[in-house]
Amino acid sequence: GAGVSQSPSNKVTEKGKDVELRCDPISGHTALYWYRQSLGQGLEFLIYFQGNSAPDKSGLPSDRFSAERTGGSVSTLTIQRTQQEDSAVYLCASSSRLATSETQYFGPGTRLLVL
Amino acid sequence: GQQLNQSPQSMFIQEGEDVSMNCTSSSIFNTWLWYKQDPGEGPVLLIALYKAGELTSNGRLTAQFGITRKDSFLNISASIPSDVGIYFCAGVGGTSYGKLTFGQGTILTVHP
Repeated sequence: GAGVSQSPSNKVTEKGKDVELRCDPISGHTALYWYRQSLGQGLEFLIYFQGNSAPDKSGLPSDRFSAERTGGSVSTLTIQRTQQEDSAVYLCASSSRLATSETQYFGPGTRLLVL
Repeated sequence: GQQLNQSPQSMFIQEGEDVSMNCTSSSIFNTWLWYKQDPGEGPVLLIALYKAGELTSNGRLTAQFGITRKDSFLNISASIPSDVGIYFCAGVGGTSYGKLTFGQGTILTVHP
C-alpha cells in the first residue's frame, strides 16, 4: 500500500509569512509524529498524535508552531510568522498504534526555506 | 532533555570494509533503533532493539543494545556502494511511547 506522503515537497517563503505543511499517514495508522531536521543534524521531535489528540506539545519550538489532525488521518503543521531559523526539513511519520514497539514509517519530508 | 551522542560524524571507506558506529546517552533508554536516510528521503528503520544486551542482525547489519541501556552500536560488514547514506541511532525512554530521540547521524561514504 501507499506510504506516508507529505506536501508540498518544497516550500520557499518570505520571512513573516505563514506556512502549512500536510501529512497523509499510512491508512489505518492511529499514531502520527512530526519531526524537524535542520541541515546536517539529527531529527528533533516536535509533536505526536494518538487519533486526533496531541497529549504532548512540549516539543514545539515556539507558540508560532501548531499542529492539528482531523478524522484521525491527515495532519497539518502550521508555522506562523516564519523566521529564517525555521528553515529545515519537516518530516512526518506514522505507526499502527502509539507504542515503542511499533515501527514509525517516515514520509519524504517537506523542505522549507524561509528567505 | 535526553540527548544522544553519535560517532563518528562521518566515515570514508573502501568497498568491502567493515564499518562500526555507536551512540551513547547520559540517560537510560528502553528501546534503541537504527535508521538509514538516503538523500531526499525520510529515514528507514534498519534494526530495532528492545532488551538490554540484545544483539540483532539484519543481513550484513548487526546492532547491540548495551547492557547499561545507555549505548548501542551498529556494524556493517563487507560494505557495498549502496550502503552510502546517513545512519541515525534513536532511542525511546521512560513513558515517552513513540517519541524518538535521535543522534546527530553518521555520514557514510563508500568508495568502489
